[in-house]
Amino acid sequence: DAGITQSPRHKVTETGTPVTLRCHQTENHRYMYWYRQDPGHGLRLIHYSYGVKDTDKGEVSDGYSVSRSKTEDFLLTLESATSSQTSVYFCGSQGASSPLHFGNGTRLTVT
Amino acid sequence: QKEVEQNSGPLSVPEGAIASLNCTYSDRGSQSFFWYRQYSGKSPELIMSIYSNGDKEDGRFTAQLNKASQYVSLLIRDSQPSDSATYLCAVNFHSGGYQKVTFGTGTKLQVIP
Repeated sequence: DAGITQSPRHKVTETGTPVTLRCHQTENHRYMYWYRQDPGHGLRLIHYSYGVKDTDKGEVSDGYSVSRSKTEDFLLTLESATSSQTSVYFCGSQGASSPLHFGNGTRLTVT
Repeated sequence: QKEVEQNSGPLSVPEGAIASLNCTYSDRGSQSFFWYRQYSGKSPELIMSIYSNGDKEDGRFTAQLNKASQYVSLLIRDSQPSDSATYLCAVNFHSGGYQKVTFGTGTKLQVIP
């Protein structure tokens, strides 16, 4: 399995606080993704990266920012968390023309 | 907008039957196609990849690809209750030297004992 680690696995935070989720991969994959998944919805793309410092917005990017300063790390930041951002967040990484592999997810609760 | 369409289900099949899951996609230039299985509360796991027209078999799973019809399917033979999960179709879109995976919303499969 691709080595993808998400941290933290669980987090509870208060409305208005900043939150950063980390995704670390050991496969030297060029492409990395952040998704959120909510009951009744499929995977929704938040942000996508196609290389170091190269990122693009997904379908639900409002309220989120990302950074990729190294190939192996892709950070997702909620600048000021809201209750609507309570969700399960999945990170994925992908090599050229190969499948995307997922991390184990981060369950975020915003109170 | 690159799109991947799946019937959300639930698809209910009796134990031992064949489950057939379908997916259509919008971009004719797509070259890589994947099926993932996701159990409740878990991350999606890759179960099949297919890159050329025709069938690809792996154990009880068969992926079928028809690029002319822009159609991908997954057959699960001898369905077991442990196959009950949501199945996600994913298509790798290529554009300008870059690639990007797009997922369907998933089909929930229920295998009835």
